[in-house]
Amino acid sequence: AQKVTQAQTEISVVEKEDVTLDCVYETRDTTYYLFWYKQPPSGELVFLIRRNSFDEQNEISGRYSWNFQKSTSSFNFTITASQVVDSAVYFCALSEWALSGGGADGLTFGKGTHLIIQP
Amino acid sequence: EAQVTQNPRYLITVTGKKLTVTCSQNMNHEYMSWYRQDPGLGLRQIYYSMNVEVTDKGDVPEGYKVSRKEKRNFPLILESPSPNQTSLYFCASSGSGNRGETQYFGPGTRLLVL
Repeated sequence: AQKVTQAQTEISVVEKEDVTLDCVYETRDTTYYLFWYKQPPSGELVFLIRRNSFDEQNEISGRYSWNFQKSTSSFNFTITASQVVDSAVYFCALSEWALSGGGADGLTFGKGTHLIIQP
Repeated sequence: EAQVTQNPRYLITVTGKKLTVTCSQNMNHEYMSWYRQDPGLGLRQIYYSMNVEVTDKGDVPEGYKVSRKEKRNFPLILESPSPNQTSLYFCASSGSGNRGETQYFGPGTRLLVL
C-alpha cells in the first residue's frame, strides 16, 4: 500500500530564512499524483500544488518551490524568505491511479510538518 | 464563489446521541469524500462517493454512515457517537472522480463526544 513520510514533525526558523519541508513517498503504481496542502492555525486545508508522476519538472510559485525526484521518491517543498504568515502545518499527500498495490481510493496523507516562523 | 461548506463547524455531543454533519459543494463535482484528522495520525479517509447513489468505504468507516442522494450533498452520519470519534472532520470534493484529481476541502467540523 502507499505511504507518505514527513519525517520533520516540527521546524522553527526565523523570518526571512529559507526552509525545506521533506516528503518521501512509497507506491507500486507507475502513475500517481503528489500534493501539498497547507493548514493554517484557522484549521482549513488549502491546496498548494499537484504533480503527476510523469512530470519531474520543478515548479516555482513566488516564494514557494517544489523539487520532485522520482529516483529518491521525494517531493520536497521549499519556502524562500519565509514570513510569519507561512506558519502552518503542511501536508504532503499521494494518490495512486491504479491502486495496484491495494491502496486506498482517497488521498494518503503524511502526518504533517508544523512550521513555525518566528518574527 | 466555488466552495465546499460544512455544518456545523463545532459540535459538542454526548455518547449515543445521533448526529449528522452536512457537506455541500457548488462546483458540480462528481466525487466527494470524508476524512478525519487526529493528532499524530494525520488525515484518514472515512467514506467516499464517486457519484450519486454510489458510496464506498475508506480506511476508517466503522461507526459512520453516508448517503449521496444529490450530487451536491454528502452528509456524514454518526448513529451512535462514541468518545473515540472526537476529531476534526473534513469533507472534500473533486471534479470527475478520477483518482489523482485535486480534492478541495471544506472548512472542517470539530466534534467532541463526551
